[in-house]
Amino acid sequence: GENVEQHPSTLSVQEGDSAVIKCTYSDSASNYFPWYKQELGKRPQLIIDIRSNVGEKKDQRIAVTLNKTAKHFSLHITETQPEDSAVYFCAAASGSGNTGKLIFGQGTTLQVKP
Amino acid sequence: DAGVIQSPRHEVTEMGQEVTLRCKPISGHNSLFWYRQTMMRGLELLIYFNNNVPIDDSGMPEDRFSAKMPNASFSTLKIQPSEPRDSAVYFCASSLLGQGLNQPQHFGDGTRLSIL
Repeated sequence: GENVEQHPSTLSVQEGDSAVIKCTYSDSASNYFPWYKQELGKRPQLIIDIRSNVGEKKDQRIAVTLNKTAKHFSLHITETQPEDSAVYFCAAASGSGNTGKLIFGQGTTLQVKP
Repeated sequence: DAGVIQSPRHEVTEMGQEVTLRCKPISGHNSLFWYRQTMMRGLELLIYFNNNVPIDDSGMPEDRFSAKMPNASFSTLKIQPSEPRDSAVYFCASSLLGQGLNQPQHFGDGTRLSIL
């Protein structure tokens, strides 16, 4: 079945710096890749997603890139702010058939130091 | 618009008791997912439904866990009997399945379950 690996598990950056989180997936049929942000004690919230027919998507300070050949995708946060501190999860839609099932990475704890 | 609604938000009970968690998906969504989140195991998919039908329950840890979706606007996750190792945050999520495209899942606020 699908497997999603996420790195690093923790990431600490200075405010204003960029942060990059990387994920790899195993199922070449995966076609949808969302990213979720989870603040302490809160629910995971979708921040950006990308489909397999595009290589990059941006939304203000966040961007996601996808390399289908290498089966990896990355989240980029520029000009980080303390409120970006949270756990970030990548996910991949499992296989063919568009069942809606997502396989999540293990999460990255991002700390932005003021 | 109302998001995914879960109840209760917190549940503390003694081991051996039956626990029932409830979820109301976003109106119009036809896929519903139950997750369990712990520090050790992260976010685990327990079971999911498409159009009220269970599709994959391979993540349900034991026979003590069961889930139902009697209609499009309500689902339950039941643990009977409960054990301390079931303590976790349980999330429900819903999405719109159809038209050949995967759609985002929207999460509820979760139920924080503590089994003493």
